[in-house]
Amino acid sequence: DQQVKQNSPSLSVQEGRISILNCDYTNSMFDYFLWYKKYPAEGPTFLISISSIKDKNEDGRFTVFLNKSAKHLSLHIVPSQPGDSAVYFCAASDGNNNDMRFGAGTRLTVKP
Amino acid sequence: NAGVTQTPKFRVLKTGQSMTLLCAQDMNHEYMYWYRQDPGMGLRLIHYSVGEGTTAKGEVPDGYNVSRLKKQNFLLGLESAAPSQTSVYFCASSPWFEPGEAFFGQGTRLTVV
Repeated sequence: DQQVKQNSPSLSVQEGRISILNCDYTNSMFDYFLWYKKYPAEGPTFLISISSIKDKNEDGRFTVFLNKSAKHLSLHIVPSQPGDSAVYFCAASDGNNNDMRFGAGTRLTVKP
Repeated sequence: NAGVTQTPKFRVLKTGQSMTLLCAQDMNHEYMYWYRQDPGMGLRLIHYSVGEGTTAKGEVPDGYNVSRLKKQNFLLGLESAAPSQTSVYFCASSPWFEPGEAFFGQGTRLTVV
């Protein structure tokens, strides 16, 4: 039972354009959401997070939006760069470090 | 500035063999985790530890055991490997005051034949 779903396994965008990665969750107890970025042969690295008390969090080119009523969050990357090409994992937590659930990931390819 | 280090990086086991994966972190983090990553499944939590001497089961604990005898080390053991345990294993750690923002090792690719 996947509680965090990333329905798009892959996404391809042109350099300089916006990348939008989507994530849906089913567990209403989740109150903290994160995005991790993973390059081949490396472990995931933390990218950005958002608490359920907010609906937007911005860090440079990366913005995460949270729609609690729809149980949906998205990651926007503007402008996209070739170095952003990686697999992006959405994760959600109910406030305990020990219960972070991950989506299956979306492979982003940014073309020069 | 090592962060989280996993040993080994690759391993091939025969069904029924045993092995231990070692995770070491130098950030003095309280929390440590073992995940497995399978195609189309994302990362799934196997076991975790909230401090030295403590361990607990995660989402998919069957077939694995763990130990945290020292704060900086978290060991994952497979007593009798099965082909279903072929996966990429990631160790992670996090400070207790930052929920969810974990630091990951580079992964161990395990194949059980």
